[in-house]
Amino acid sequence: QVELAQAGGEVKKPGASVKVSCKASGHTFTNYNMHWLRQAPGQGLEWMGIIRPSGATGYAPKFEGRVTMTRDTSTSTVDMDLSSLRSEDTAVYYCAREMDKSYKFDYWGQGTLVTVSS
Amino acid sequence: QSALTQPASVSGSPGQSITISCTGSSSDFEKDNVVSWYQQEPGKAPKLIIYEVNKRPSGVSNRFSGSKSDNTASLTISGLQAEDEADYYCCSYGTYFSYVFGAGTKVTVL
Repeated sequence: QVELAQAGGEVKKPGASVKVSCKASGHTFTNYNMHWLRQAPGQGLEWMGIIRPSGATGYAPKFEGRVTMTRDTSTSTVDMDLSSLRSEDTAVYYCAREMDKSYKFDYWGQGTLVTVSS
Repeated sequence: QSALTQPASVSGSPGQSITISCTGSSSDFEKDNVVSWYQQEPGKAPKLIIYEVNKRPSGVSNRFSGSKSDNTASLTISGLQAEDEADYYCCSYGTYFSYVFGAGTKVTVL
C-alpha cells in the first residue's frame, strides 16, 4: 500500500534551518509530483511548493528564497529545507503526492511537527 | 492570493444533510474544475474526499458530494453520521501556479 513516512518532530531556534524528510513506498515514485504543505497549530492548510519527478521545483511566493525541495530517486525520498526560521514557522509539515496535472493530493504523510522556539 | 472563504462551523443532527460553501475570486478558480475537498480528523493528516469538483476517490462514501457554481464550490454531506465529525478544507489551483485552501470548517454532529 502507498505510504509516505515522515519523522516525528524537530525543535529549532529562531534563525536556524530545518530539513524535513518524506520517504515514499508502495508506488512508483517517479510517476508522481510531491508537494509540501504545512499547518500551524489550530490553523488551516498552507501549500508550500512542488517538486516534480525531473527535480524541477515551484514554490509559493511566500516561501520563495527560504525553501528548497529536493528528491532522491534512489531512496524514494523527498526533502524540504526551510531556512531563517521564525516562531510563525511552528507547524506540522506534510508531504503529499499528486499525479501530474491531477491537482489533487491523494496520499499524505503523517506530518512532522517543527517547533521554533528560543 | 488570500484563502478561500469557508464558514467556521456547520452542525447537523444524525441523518440530516449539511452543505459547506467555499467562496473565492475568479483568480482562485482560474483552472477550471480542479476544486478538491479534504477531511481532517483531530491529530491526523488530511484525507482526500472530493476532487475535480464532484468526483470521489475509491472508498469514499457516496454520502459526500461536491458541486461548483461560478466562484463558489460546495461540499454536501448527506445522511450525517457521528463519524463525519471533522474539519473540512476546500482547495483550488489558482494564479501564480499555487494552490489555495479555505480556512476550514468544523462539522459537528449534534
